[in-house]
Amino acid sequence: QVQLVQSGSELKKPGASVKVSCKASGYTFTSYSMNWVRQAPGQGLEWMGWINTNTGNPTYAQGFTGRFVFSLDTSVSTAYLQISSLKAEDTAVYYCARVSSPYYKDYWGQGTLVTVSS
Amino acid sequence: QTVVTQEPSFSVSPGGTVTLTCGLSSGSVSTSYYPSWYQQTPGQAPRTLIYNTNSRSSGVPDRFSGSILGNKAALTITGAQADDDSVYYCVLYMGGGISAFGGGTKLTVL
Repeated sequence: QVQLVQSGSELKKPGASVKVSCKASGYTFTSYSMNWVRQAPGQGLEWMGWINTNTGNPTYAQGFTGRFVFSLDTSVSTAYLQISSLKAEDTAVYYCARVSSPYYKDYWGQGTLVTVSS
Repeated sequence: QTVVTQEPSFSVSPGGTVTLTCGLSSGSVSTSYYPSWYQQTPGQAPRTLIYNTNSRSSGVPDRFSGSILGNKAALTITGAQADDDSVYYCVLYMGGGISAFGGGTKLTVL
């Protein structure tokens, strides 16, 4: 069965970096692109962008350029979200979601809480 | 920048029917936006309900249905149950791999 398992919660200080992983299983990893979605405390879901798991080409939504990097390790069927120069406002739950045809998210990771606090 | 609009909140009585909508700040929603709908309860990951306007995801009860109503996408819940008390998000496909989330509708069943 398809599963997306994300790494555990992180507590980071402002200015630090964090790397969240999303390990896929139960399907051919490179056959489906991956989305990243952010949810700040008490707020709605926000689309961060997507990565083409075939080519590794990332696309970032407005507001998620510069400090946010999507990457892959196809040898272990894992997608990564790295955030650098963390700020308090980056505190959120981050989800990975597989994109199926046509253009919808059919499987979601369980979410990773990133807390940025001094 | 085009914004995806949803009602902030809605309430329905148990057993009742409710229709949530998903529009655009500029323009009309059509099937070309491949509207999808997701349900989220507190502390949980979103659950996929509807995709491609009106296709139900595996395991989703048939009391959930999707459609286009006028110039908006719509999610209708027929015979609402207590555990439908959740936040519902619509997502529109904007082309080029780009998605746009609505702000979510908090549905209260009471």
